[in-house]
Amino acid sequence: TQLLEQSPQFLSIQEGENLTVYCNSSSVFSSLQWYRQEPGEGPVLLVTVVTGGEVKKLKRLTFQFGDARKDSSLHITAAQPGDTGLYLCAGRPPDSWGKFQFGAGTQVVVTP
Amino acid sequence: DAGITQSPRHKVTETGTPVTLRCHQTENHRYMYWYRQDPGHGLRLIHYSYGVKDTDKGEVSDGYSVSRSKTEDFLLTLESATSSQTSVYFCAISESGGGNTDTQYFGPGTRLTVL
Repeated sequence: TQLLEQSPQFLSIQEGENLTVYCNSSSVFSSLQWYRQEPGEGPVLLVTVVTGGEVKKLKRLTFQFGDARKDSSLHITAAQPGDTGLYLCAGRPPDSWGKFQFGAGTQVVVTP
Repeated sequence: DAGITQSPRHKVTETGTPVTLRCHQTENHRYMYWYRQDPGHGLRLIHYSYGVKDTDKGEVSDGYSVSRSKTEDFLLTLESATSSQTSVYFCAISESGGGNTDTQYFGPGTRLTVL
């Protein structure tokens, strides 16, 4: 089993601050996804990264896939209360078409 | 929003009783998944299906069975529920199962409590 470890588990910041969430593994993944989940709902996909070293930006969110495709980070600039949620990373191991492994998640709280 | 519904949305049952959860999609996606979500564990894959009558186990499949007789429906059955199966269960669908541009769409979840 390839484990995805997310850190920190919990992050509480003030509106306007920046934050970074990490997703690390000792194994290689073919692709890695980031999701955001709000209370009482299912996760919603934010981005998919597939190439080592890839950087994707989604408004104030920046996602990076490590060169070795073993780790990823999510950086939020000037966080807003609407960014509050549980952020999950999910990786697809090589030769494992159809199966995804999820990290335990990082709970982010942005207060006004 | 992707057309995924789960039923029931909430259920309380007693230890030893059988329970079936239903996932229904209107997207005609080939892949369907059942996950459970518990604090500190994130989402863990129970079973998934890559076509009608084609299923495979995930990392936490013990105590669970699945069936898919139609493209749109994926059933999760707990033959004899235990308290350790108290959890929130999510169904997900995807078109190709993990291609570079594929997306998993999740249902709203079913909260199951086993007393």
